Amino acid sequence: AQTVTQSQPEMSVQEAETVTLSCTYDTSENNYYLFWYKQPPSRQMILVIRQEAYKQQNATENRFSVNFQKAAKSFSLKISDSQLGDTAMYFCAFMKTGTASKLTFGTGTRLQVTL
Amino acid sequence: GAVVSQHPSWVICKSGTSVKIECRSLDFQATTMFWYRQFPKQSLMLMATSNEGSKATYEQGVEKDKFLINHASLTLSTLTVTSAHPEDSSFYICSARDTGTSGGHNEQFFGPGTRLTVL
Repeated sequence: AQTVTQSQPEMSVQEAETVTLSCTYDTSENNYYLFWYKQPPSRQMILVIRQEAYKQQNATENRFSVNFQKAAKSFSLKISDSQLGDTAMYFCAFMKTGTASKLTFGTGTRLQVTL
Repeated sequence: GAVVSQHPSWVICKSGTSVKIECRSLDFQATTMFWYRQFPKQSLMLMATSNEGSKATYEQGVEKDKFLINHASLTLSTLTVTSAHPEDSSFYICSARDTGTSGGHNEQFFGPGTRLTVL
């Protein structure tokens, strides 16, 4: 079974600064997907970024980028130029390839962006 | 991205009654939908996987007779909490997999959730 670990329950960052959220996972699979989801106070889950394990290049979406270290089974999220709207719970998630696969979520990191 | 709706967004019911929550994929077909439960300040816990036209697959520890799931069409799945009790109060979230997503990403889109309060 897969496990996803987020070791930072809460983090705080000042507006315009950069913050990195950590995520590690454990799997025996070689092909899989990794995700970061954002859950703001509205509780709507929003996909932030996705990484395919077979791709060596780290995914980037505007101010969001990941540091994917497959051998170390690490998948951190970097948020640059933090904005107040980034305040949310962030969940790291793992999914095997295949149509029968399902998401395994980490415990989440609560990020607070301050003025 | 694709849109998933849930109805109702919140519901209050008396203990012993049943509550039905609907999950709809609005602009895509979803052969697979998922139901999650989320307690305050916790992560999402997968309850069951709903497959169109077949029985749902429940996660270990989830009572299938209490949480009835029906996936009668490619755009609708329902979760019925039967004989609800206060401990069933929670935030329920569905997601739908867009099987038409190119590249095999199998991307899941989440509904806005339903807050259930059982008195």
